[in-house]
Amino acid sequence: GENVEQHPSTLSVQEGDSAVIKCTYSDSASNYFPWYKQELGKGPQLIIDIRSNVGEKKDQRIAVTLNKTAKHFSLHITETQPEDSAVYFCAANPKAAGNKLTFGGGTRVLVKP
Amino acid sequence: DTAVSQTPKYLVTQMGNDKSIKCEQNLGHDTMYWYKQDSKKFLKIMFSYNNKELIINETVPNRFSPKSPDKAHLNLHINSLELGDSAVYFCASSQVGVLSPLHFGNGTRLTVT
Repeated sequence: GENVEQHPSTLSVQEGDSAVIKCTYSDSASNYFPWYKQELGKGPQLIIDIRSNVGEKKDQRIAVTLNKTAKHFSLHITETQPEDSAVYFCAANPKAAGNKLTFGGGTRVLVKP
Repeated sequence: DTAVSQTPKYLVTQMGNDKSIKCEQNLGHDTMYWYKQDSKKFLKIMFSYNNKELIINETVPNRFSPKSPDKAHLNLHINSLELGDSAVYFCASSQVGVLSPLHFGNGTRLTVT
């Protein structure tokens, strides 16, 4: 199938620590991997994305790494702050699903002050 | 300057009723979507329109009928509402192309009693 598995489902970290969320995908033809942040009462917002021709991308405290061989990609948040508390979703575009974005199940991140 | 706006934000109605959710985007995008987010936060695509033409129609009951009067608007009409339709419905838009980020609205929380 065209699954995107996301772990963990919940993550609690102390302010200032790092948070890592991992996703695996099944379709090796996938070539686009965005990450979305959903705050309470709002829609998901794109925070970073990576294409399959790149292994890593960084934007300030956020970075994403991609391992095409193992078919997994990860979101890294460093120096976490309370405003990082939200639900994070990974996604991929399996060709078998007509390139539609398929989302992971989400990770609820809580940053404790 | 809201990019993707949908109304209403909350919708409470009884089983058997018919309701509509409206969506508008001012980003100049050609592609619009409807997503459903269930109580476990799982996001799943329902429909996609490209320049007023339906291009994705997932296995959604035919009680759900999208309508796109122009490329900036995509409305969702639901007939004969059922308890299982209770969810948060998100409208989104993107530029044409499978690698284009999605821009989500803030959602409509539908509660069917």
